[in-house]
Amino acid sequence: QQQVKQSPQSLIVQKGGISIINCAYENTAFDYFPWYQQFPGKGPALLIAIRPDVSEKKEGRFTISFNKSAKQFSLHIMDSQPGDSATYFCAASMGNFNKFYFGSGTKLNVKP
Amino acid sequence: EADIYQTPRYLVIGTGKKITLECSQTMGHDKMYWYQQDPGMELHLIHYSYGVNSTEKGDLSSESTVSRIRTEHFPLTLESARPSHTSQYLCASSPPLNTGELFFGEGSRLTVL
Repeated sequence: QQQVKQSPQSLIVQKGGISIINCAYENTAFDYFPWYQQFPGKGPALLIAIRPDVSEKKEGRFTISFNKSAKQFSLHIMDSQPGDSATYFCAASMGNFNKFYFGSGTKLNVKP
Repeated sequence: EADIYQTPRYLVIGTGKKITLECSQTMGHDKMYWYQQDPGMELHLIHYSYGVNSTEKGDLSSESTVSRIRTEHFPLTLESARPSHTSQYLCASSPPLNTGELFFGEGSRLTVL
């Protein structure tokens, strides 16, 4: 059973546009929601994370929006750049961080 | 930058061979993990460890085994590889302060013919 569902599977955005990736979860015990960025041939790296006590977190061009009642969260990439082209994974964990559950990934292609 | 290393990066072997994927980290992290990653699929946790002599199976059943004799070393072994084991294997660790961040290696891509 997939704990975190992610969409879309792939996304093409023009340079300067907004990229939006969505995730949904069922387990209300999750209380930490990170996004990871993975470039080809590399391991995933933490991009930004949020806890459910806030509805939004922004770091530079990257913003997480969190809707606790809907059990959904999304990543927004403003002013998308070709260098943002990568695969993005959402994830969820409980407070002890012993396990992380990942979405299936979104391959983002930003066209110049 | 995280210091977690995986070897080999790529491995092509025949069915029935024994293989060991190496993972080492120099950050002194207690928690370490092995994830299996297939194209278009989520990362599946197959093994994790809280520290030396601690190993647990993850949510995805795997025929592989792991050991944790030293803090910095978390190897994964397949006694008899089969084509169904073809996948990318990612090793990760997390710091003791529970920051929630996973540090990943670059992965080992295994192909079993």
